[in-house]
Amino acid sequence: AQTVTQSQPEMSVQEAETVTLSCTYDTSESNYYLFWYKQPPSRQMILVIRQEAYKQQNATENRFSVNFQKAAKSFSLKISDSQLGDTAMYFCAFMINSGGSNYKLTFGKGTLLTVNP
Amino acid sequence: DSGVTQTPKHLITATGQRVTLRCSPRSGDLSVYWYQQSLDQGLQFLIQYYNGEERAKGNILERFSAQQFPDLHSELNLSSLELGDSALYFCASSVSGTAKEEQYFGPGTRLTVT
Repeated sequence: AQTVTQSQPEMSVQEAETVTLSCTYDTSESNYYLFWYKQPPSRQMILVIRQEAYKQQNATENRFSVNFQKAAKSFSLKISDSQLGDTAMYFCAFMINSGGSNYKLTFGKGTLLTVNP
Repeated sequence: DSGVTQTPKHLITATGQRVTLRCSPRSGDLSVYWYQQSLDQGLQFLIQYYNGEERAKGNILERFSAQQFPDLHSELNLSSLELGDSALYFCASSVSGTAKEEQYFGPGTRLTVT
């Protein structure tokens, strides 16, 4: 079974600073996808960034980037120039790309990020 | 706005009752997923449908069932409700339900069982 662990239940950062959220996962699969989802107070789940395991290059989306260490099974999210609107719960998630039919997302417990003015 | 709609937004009901949650996927999406978010269990995958057929099952209780209709909307039926079923239920959709596709989440239905 796949597991996703987010060891930081809560974090805070000052506006305009950089923060890194940690995520580790456990799987015996070699072909999979990793995701970071954001859930603001509105409760809407929003995809922040996605990484394909077979790609060595770390994904980047504007102020959001990941540090993907496949051997260490680590997938951290870096938010640069933090903004007040980044305040949200952040979930790390995992999906196997097995070619089969079970394309379910497995989520971590989440990290509550607060950006302070 | 993800394009996925869910109704109702809020639902309050008593233990032992049955409710139906409805989801309309984004236009063109054939696959629908249901997730449950609770304080105890976090975010959990319940079930996936693709073009009317069940494709994958997760931690879905026997008291829960779902279906996807020919117009591609989906319903999640929860019966014999217990206090522990109180949660936020999300529906998500994607084009063909494969791993490389983004899943777009609806706003969720907040279920409170009293």
